[in-house]
Amino acid sequence: QSALTQPRSVSGSPGQSVTISCTGTTSDVGAYNYVSWYQHHPGKAPKLMIYDVTRRPSGVPDRFSGSKSGNTASLTISGLQAEDEADYYCCSYAGTHPWVFGGGTKVTVL
Amino acid sequence: QVQLVQSGAEVKKPGASVKVSCKASGYTFTSYDINWVRQATGQGLEWVGWMNANSGKIGFGQKFQGRVTMTWDTSTTTAYMELSSLRSEDTAVYYCARYASATYKFDYWGQGTLVTDSS
Repeated sequence: QSALTQPRSVSGSPGQSVTISCTGTTSDVGAYNYVSWYQHHPGKAPKLMIYDVTRRPSGVPDRFSGSKSGNTASLTISGLQAEDEADYYCCSYAGTHPWVFGGGTKVTVL
Repeated sequence: QVQLVQSGAEVKKPGASVKVSCKASGYTFTSYDINWVRQATGQGLEWVGWMNANSGKIGFGQKFQGRVTMTWDTSTTTAYMELSSLRSEDTAVYYCARYASATYKFDYWGQGTLVTDSS
């Protein structure tokens, strides 16, 4: 199962919005509404930010939102803050090969 | 609070085996799956496999079949992942992550264990 495709990096100034895309196939992202997103500060445990494409766990700021169109899911961070600087990974359920992840996107706050 | 605490870094020779532990606390260990995910340097995340201490079921990614063993100790609420016949490409940070059946999300993760090839 191939990895999901994410841009290597995105950047924005504080207060701006950034969007990270996550492109898969009709076997994963396009087939299921089970895309999740994880924030990872190096050296720490990854943190769940979005699940089921659009849902936020309790405690995750509503600045983080998710969406999906066809085989591409997206994570948008609105009102970018310094603490949002991290790596972000998408993940999709893929049926018999249950989980496929993206290559990761580094978000830089300028 | 839910915590997954992993064992420390390991340095192994090619061909050797490594066993990584993941101690769970703050929840009922047998009510959730433990999944293992790895990240090679500069690469994305890669799913390795999963286990459930209640059902005894285990599953692996195809590329790990025959090389990975997953076990657990319910008395210490610890999950273990052993990878054998180590190759240079197995050098990675290995994470354990909690998964509740049919929720399609990994809601808590361990801090990661770095496994390095000594060559």
